[in-house]
Amino acid sequence: SQQGEEDPQALSIQEGENATMNCSYKTSINNLQWYRQNSGRGLVHLILIRSNEREKHSGRLRVTLDTSKKSSSLLITASRAADTASYFCAPGGYQKVTFGTGTKLQVIP
Amino acid sequence: NAGVTQTPKFRVLKTGQSMTLLCAQDMNHEYMYWYRQDPGMGLRLIHYSVGEGTTAKGEVPDGYNVSRLKKQNFLLGLESAAPSQTSVYFCASSSRLAGLNEQFFGPGTRLTVL
Repeated sequence: SQQGEEDPQALSIQEGENATMNCSYKTSINNLQWYRQNSGRGLVHLILIRSNEREKHSGRLRVTLDTSKKSSSLLITASRAADTASYFCAPGGYQKVTFGTGTKLQVIP
Repeated sequence: NAGVTQTPKFRVLKTGQSMTLLCAQDMNHEYMYWYRQDPGMGLRLIHYSVGEGTTAKGEVPDGYNVSRLKKQNFLLGLESAAPSQTSVYFCASSSRLAGLNEQFFGPGTRLTVL
């Protein structure tokens, strides 16, 4: 299964600090995506990294991918209270992706 | 553009009743998906479709049926609801272009089966 496993399951930080979440997966992938879910809402796509990329940036987000270790990390810099949400990685193929159980991030003002 | 919409937003069923959840997207996406999310868990794929008239099973298809008669709509049916199907159901769609599968999600349907 391509299913991602996020680590840690929960993370609590102070506003302004950086938050790092990790994802491991088991099989080869075409790309890996990260999504955010605010409580009670649908998932929102954050960033996608292709299997031939090692690092990608988008605003305060930085994603790395190590295909040899089958792992990825999501770094959120200078966190804000509005970043409080669950974050899911989604290792992907061409037609579908699978989601892990997510990292629950709490940013304390 | 409305993106992905789901109908209804909430529903309470009794065991054995049937219902259909409707997902609609206006982005001309080829791929559509139905997921369920249980408390404290990630999303699990129920069924998906890679094009009009085609459907395929996901991780947890038992007890559900789907149809994709029009490209913009993807219906999820529960023929005989069970309490184990109490969950939040999300629909998503993505474009076949570039083969990257970035998914756009609807707001979810909260279903309770008594």
